[in-house]
Amino acid sequence: DVKVTQSSRYLVKRTGEKVFLECVQDMDHENMFWYRQDPGLGLRLIYFSYDVKMKEKGDIPEGYSVSREKKERFSLILESASTNQTSMYLCASSPYRGNQPQHFGDGTRLSIL
Amino acid sequence: GQQLNQSPQSMFIQEGEDVSMNCTSSSIFNTWLWYKQDPGEGPVLLIALYKAGELTSNGRLTAQFGITRKDSFLNISASIPSDVGIYFCAGPFMPSGTYKYIFGTGTRLKVLA
Repeated sequence: DVKVTQSSRYLVKRTGEKVFLECVQDMDHENMFWYRQDPGLGLRLIYFSYDVKMKEKGDIPEGYSVSREKKERFSLILESASTNQTSMYLCASSPYRGNQPQHFGDGTRLSIL
Repeated sequence: GQQLNQSPQSMFIQEGEDVSMNCTSSSIFNTWLWYKQDPGEGPVLLIALYKAGELTSNGRLTAQFGITRKDSFLNISASIPSDVGIYFCAGPFMPSGTYKYIFGTGTRLKVLA
């Protein structure tokens, strides 16, 4: 069965901290994505990756970076956390071939104090 | 830019009633996806549609790929309390050589027992 695992369901960090969110998929998918979800704003794409060591900016990359050293793992990094980065973060993966569904992890609810 | 318009935004229904929601786009899609998201969880894929006119069922859920390829519909028959959640439509598109996904704003469903 399809499985996307996010390392934490809930996380509380302080302003200025460097924060790592980890995501692992077991489906051998080429594409991986990071979104944030906020009330009234829907799902917004932060970064995505279509291959190891490859990354592309999404719609709201400012304040974030990503790392993809292995095919199954995609990390989101908040370089210096700020309170406006408090949100629900969702990781997803999909096969490289087009028109196939994304599969999501359970999400990480991140609070920055 | 592209966006998916989803309606209704929310609905309250009685247990046992049928539910209909739809999603429209200003652009043509080759795939339509329907997801459900429970509170505090990630979206879960319900149905994927790949062909104009296609009608696909998953238990009490039925979805259709519109003939114009610019819309899709989701129906839930005989709703039960666990149908509560947010339903999203989505479609993959390829603005610059790699696939990204666009999401509807969601339909929030509440079922009254």
